[in-house]
Amino acid sequence: NAGVTQTPKFRVLKTGQSMTLLCAQDMNHEYMYWYRQDPGMGLRLIHYSVGEGTTAKGEVPDGYNVSRLKKQNFLLGLESAAPSQTSVYFCASSGDRGQPQHFGDGTRLSIL
Amino acid sequence: AQSVTQLGSHVSVSEGALVLLRCNYSSSVPPYLFWYVQYPNQGLQLLLKYTSAATLVKGINGFEAEFKKSETSFHLTKPSAHMSDAAEYFCAVRSYYGGSQGNLIFGKGTKLSVKP
Repeated sequence: NAGVTQTPKFRVLKTGQSMTLLCAQDMNHEYMYWYRQDPGMGLRLIHYSVGEGTTAKGEVPDGYNVSRLKKQNFLLGLESAAPSQTSVYFCASSGDRGQPQHFGDGTRLSIL
Repeated sequence: AQSVTQLGSHVSVSEGALVLLRCNYSSSVPPYLFWYVQYPNQGLQLLLKYTSAATLVKGINGFEAEFKKSETSFHLTKPSAHMSDAAEYFCAVRSYYGGSQGNLIFGKGTKLSVKP
């Protein structure tokens, strides 16, 4: 019963490097989300998807790109990492808008 | 636009004491409201949800929340705290506006400490 799986769990990057975070869900959910969590800020939505092949910007999209080529996967890319992107990133999925979202365990990303 | 305010970034209670975590929301339409819990180094887990049915909502681990429209509140309570309740708690409201319709808007979280 995997639910939402995020890889990698930890990563350290140097400024300017690029990387991709992978989110996979096995619940056949249409909606998927990427959040970042910073101390005292709660969770802020980066990008989201309402179905395979679709993506949309959230509250803090700058510096990130996403793709949803397959229904079960949602990728988050950092084109040129900056120290301000040091954060914990969470992926979530839901069967419908407004339904509870199921979260992965997060990716802890440090950018030096 | 909708918003969520959680009063108190840190709450400390003794084991066995009442837990009260406060959440106020702003919404011009009947809201869908959620409480999530996050244990250290884990993702968020749903505690309970309000979707315009009963105003008193019971969740997992003995938690419950009461929707009060007149006070625009959705406070989370538990009669007797356990050490295992130490975690961070997030209140969230469903967004109804614009292209983000249906997304969740989260409060900034309340970290609960339980003293033995």
